[in-house]
Amino acid sequence: DTAVSQTPKYLVTQMGNDKSIKCEQNLGHDTMYWYKQDSKKFLKIMFSYNNKELIINETVPNRFSPKSPDKAHLNLHINSLELGDSAVYFCASSPTGTGYEQYFGPGTRLTVT
Amino acid sequence: AQKITQTQPGMFVQEKEAVTLDCTYDTSDPSYGLFWYKQPSSGEMIFLIYQGSYDQQNATEGRYSLNFQKARKSANLVISASQLGDSAMYFCAMREGPRNSGYELNFGKGTSLLVTP
Repeated sequence: DTAVSQTPKYLVTQMGNDKSIKCEQNLGHDTMYWYKQDSKKFLKIMFSYNNKELIINETVPNRFSPKSPDKAHLNLHINSLELGDSAVYFCASSPTGTGYEQYFGPGTRLTVT
Repeated sequence: AQKITQTQPGMFVQEKEAVTLDCTYDTSDPSYGLFWYKQPSSGEMIFLIYQGSYDQQNATEGRYSLNFQKARKSANLVISASQLGDSAMYFCAMREGPRNSGYELNFGKGTSLLVTP
């Protein structure tokens, strides 16, 4: 059974389009995250959701919006896609607390043309 | 300011040798966790090892050990008996306590390790 799953794995789209990436975890964790990995492999936090509440929101454009229908899902919706949005997006989950590893999904490679 | 610093963009090691990947961190929080992840060319993020700020002993997981020097704020990863399959990108990351974060991981820029025969 996959612990953290993301769909789609690859996403190619044109500038200006709106797209969503879905994430589901079956680990019973209460915190979920979205990270962006740029072309230089740098991973940066975008959002974190704890018990369906957004608890951090870095300097991410408001074209990006996380949506959590329940504790097991955290979807990422992106409006008006730009070339600079091309990256790998990782979903992750963990229990709350400093001592727990985060389990990562397989990543979604987004290419904006 | 960068919270995690990995100063080695790339490293080479010969098969069966040991290698140390450097990581220094910056935090004023007394409660934090340090993590190492491996990212092979296939792209997935694989958890390797964890060290808590209050842990008295260095963490070990099989061939991986973490050389934790709290006063120097360093958390180097040591891989013993390198294997060809260890070739990958390695990321050091830190999670701070609840006062400073939502438990997200702050990552370093990574070290690319190549194991040669």
